[in-house]
Amino acid sequence: AQTVTQSQPEMSVQEAETVTLSCTYDTSENNYYLFWYKQPPSRQMILVIRQEAYKQQNATENRFSVNFQKAAKSFSLKISDSQLGDTAMYFCAVLRSGTYKYIFGTGTRLKVLA
Amino acid sequence: EAQVTQNPRYLITVTGKKLTVTCSQNMNHEYMSWYRQDPGLGLRQIYYSMNVEVTDKGDVPEGYKVSRKEKRNFPLILESPSPNQTSLYFCASSLVGSTGPNQPQHFGDGTRLSIL
Repeated sequence: AQTVTQSQPEMSVQEAETVTLSCTYDTSENNYYLFWYKQPPSRQMILVIRQEAYKQQNATENRFSVNFQKAAKSFSLKISDSQLGDTAMYFCAVLRSGTYKYIFGTGTRLKVLA
Repeated sequence: EAQVTQNPRYLITVTGKKLTVTCSQNMNHEYMSWYRQDPGLGLRQIYYSMNVEVTDKGDVPEGYKVSRKEKRNFPLILESPSPNQTSLYFCASSLVGSTGPNQPQHFGDGTRLSIL
């Protein structure tokens, strides 16, 4: 069965520092899509970043970037210049190409400290 | 404003009393999905729909039903709710590309269900 593992249940980082959240997944597919979603205390689910597995270039969105290691099946999220508003639960998710099923990880709760 | 609307936001009910959580999107998305979120388990997909009249099971479909009679609506039905269905539920929608719903999902604000 396809799985997504987020091995860090909780993390904290000082404001303005950089933090990396890890995500590993298990799939036999060659093409798939990877996502990071953020869930702040308001409980809304917000897309942070999206990566297509067939693209070697790591996706970047402002202060958020990924380190996509396809061979290692790793998809970590790096947050630079952390802000208090980054405090949230972060979920990694995988969608296999050609399917309609999403698999989410169990989440990492990130706290940014002032 | 593009949005996914879920109702109700909160519901406390009793075991066995049928309930429906509604979900509506105004973005003409083909793909819609229901998830439940439980502490330590993340989000788990209950059911999804690729288009009108086309639905399929996710990873945790037991005890739930769905229907997709119109493109914009995707209600979640609990015919005989039980306490283990107490959870936070999310509806989501997205466009469908040539290789599936690979565009980001838009989520509703969530429905907190408590089954006593």
